[in-house]
Amino acid sequence: KAGVTQTPRYLIKTRGQQVTLSCSPISGHRSVSWYQQTPGQGLQFLFEYFSETQRNKGNFPGRFSGRQFSNSRSEMNVSTLELGDSALYLCASSLGTGGPRETQYFGPGTRLLVL
Amino acid sequence: AQSVTQPDIHITVSEGASLELRCNYSYGATPYLFWYVQSPGQGLQLLLKYFSGDTLVQGIKGFEAEFKRSQSSFNLRKPSVHWSDAAEYFCAVAFNAGGTSYGKLTFGQGTILTVHP
Repeated sequence: KAGVTQTPRYLIKTRGQQVTLSCSPISGHRSVSWYQQTPGQGLQFLFEYFSETQRNKGNFPGRFSGRQFSNSRSEMNVSTLELGDSALYLCASSLGTGGPRETQYFGPGTRLLVL
Repeated sequence: AQSVTQPDIHITVSEGASLELRCNYSYGATPYLFWYVQSPGQGLQLLLKYFSGDTLVQGIKGFEAEFKRSQSSFNLRKPSVHWSDAAEYFCAVAFNAGGTSYGKLTFGQGTILTVHP
């Protein structure tokens, strides 16, 4: 089975712009979670989608949003980029029906640099 | 509040030496526990997980972890470290808290492992 894929792998944007990141889960997985990883804050949960619905959300401003399509692929969008949004954005997929004990499988991440 | 602590930011060991990485959590019940490893520029790879039952769990790459309820700990161990084990290790916890737990892992700050030849 192919793993979780994320595109693009690297991205450079300037302050004020917006960005869209994409995540394709493992085949058969219906849950996609997004995380932000920074040296200062570590790994922080952004949100989770299951069957095109956001089921859970972390403590991030409304500039961070996401969606999921019928094929379980997910996108996250960050509007009005700030320097502090520079980070590695990781997505993870799981079946979505087993509750918190489910293993999450991570993609390689998208490295976003905001100048 | 629910939290995960990895007390050691950086650990250096010699190749062939034993390794123990510490992880403590704060939660009123037994959470679901995971250890992940991240190589530079890569995503996270699952090493092992604990849900219930035998408190000593075996994982990939020769790693094992022991859950100790009395200490709220889930420490990762390896008897003999290889140079290829150099990476960053994350302890993660999933709390069984209804809707607020869907798809959410809470991570420790990570421990960077350096292996000397």
